[in-house]
Formats: sequence, C-alpha cells, structure tokens
Amino acid sequence: NAGVMQNPRHLVRRRGQEARLRCSPMKGHSHVYWYRQLPEEGLKFMVYLQKENIIDESGMPKERFSAEFPKEGPSILRIQQVVRGDSAAYFCASSRTSGNTDTQYFGPGTRLTVL
Amino acid sequence: QKEVEQDPGPLSVPEGAIVSLNCTYSNSAFQYFMWYRQYSRKGPELLMYTYSSGNKEDGRFTAQVDKSSKYISLFIRDSQPSDSATYLCAMSEGTGGGNKLTFGTGTQLKVEL
Repeated sequence: NAGVMQNPRHLVRRRGQEARLRCSPMKGHSHVYWYRQLPEEGLKFMVYLQKENIIDESGMPKERFSAEFPKEGPSILRIQQVVRGDSAAYFCASSRTSGNTDTQYFGPGTRLTVL
Repeated sequence: QKEVEQDPGPLSVPEGAIVSLNCTYSNSAFQYFMWYRQYSRKGPELLMYTYSSGNKEDGRFTAQVDKSSKYISLFIRDSQPSDSATYLCAMSEGTGGGNKLTFGTGTQLKVEL
C-alpha cells in the first residue's frame, strides 16, 4: 500500500519562475493538506482540500500561491513568480476523512530552492 | 507569541536514558494533541495521539497532556540510537471542517551509544 507520494522531491527555480508541486494521497484518501516548513521553523498549515473543493485556505499567502485537487489526478500546489523567501520544504498530508481523530499521513516533501 | 512553543534543542542523551520532550501552548481551544517524529529529509510520522488531559502509553513512549497548564510532554524510556530524530508536537482545535494542525518548531534529539 503506497504512502503519500510527492514529486518532485527537489525543485530548483530561478526568481520569477513558476513552481508546481504534486501530491498523490494514499489510496482511499480524499482529504489533502499542504504544509510549509521554513528553515528553523515548524510546519505551517497552508491549505486543506477535498476533491474539487478548497475547504480552508487560511494559511495560504494572499498572492502567487494557489492549490487544487481535481477529480482525477494529484493535488497541485502552484507558486507563481517565486522569490527567495519561498525556499522551503513543502509537505502534503492525506487522511481518509475530515474527522478530528483521523490520522494525517505525510509525504516525503518537496524541497524548493529559489536561486 | 507563537501559539505553540517547543525547545528546539539539540538534546543529546546516552543510550538507555529517559527522554522528556515538552511543548506549551496558548490556544485554549486545542483539544487534540499529537507527537510526530521526523527523520532528516523525511516527512513526519505520527507517534502518539491524545485527546484532552491525561496520559497515554505505547511501548516505550508515554504522552502526557495537562490542559490546565497548557503543557504537553512526550517521554521516551530506554532510548535507542534509532530514536535520534526531530520530534514535533502538533495540536488541533477539532472544530470540524477538517483537522488543521498547528506544530511546534520541533526538538532535535540525538541518542548516543
């Protein structure tokens, strides 16, 4: 049973380029969360999605960042016109339900470096 | 002030020692408390989960929650070199509509032979 998959594992972009991060949840999971981990900081919640719906985007920066979870295919976190401050590890997690006791399983992360 | 405070360490202990990891928090709405372990360059994995105040034991691990003091702890008995990792506390309000987690910064633990 494959776990949460993220790709690419490492992504290098120059300032002003776009970054697209992909997350495939565990089989049977329809809830996806994205978190960002900056150096020397803990994971920060960004967005929570169900299939075709954004449920909570309270942690997303107002500009340049967007997320989707289409009916078919992986969830995508998109960062437009990247800046050096976007360099971080981006983790997605999935769960089977939205229940408070339902475990969130994390992927290995995508490490974004902006030159 | 951060919602969740956690001593970043690093914490170095000899093999077999008892390890105590702690977090304090300010949001009294937190109801669910978790400890995750994160190895270098990996994603976090859930170790322990507790609801409200009290203790929970699983093998060498004991999680403790004191809601009146807004303080949670993770104890590791008979620590092993394989326990060397970063330990993250996490919490959620559990108000429905998803389970957004708020994390501490993590404590780096090294268990030495």
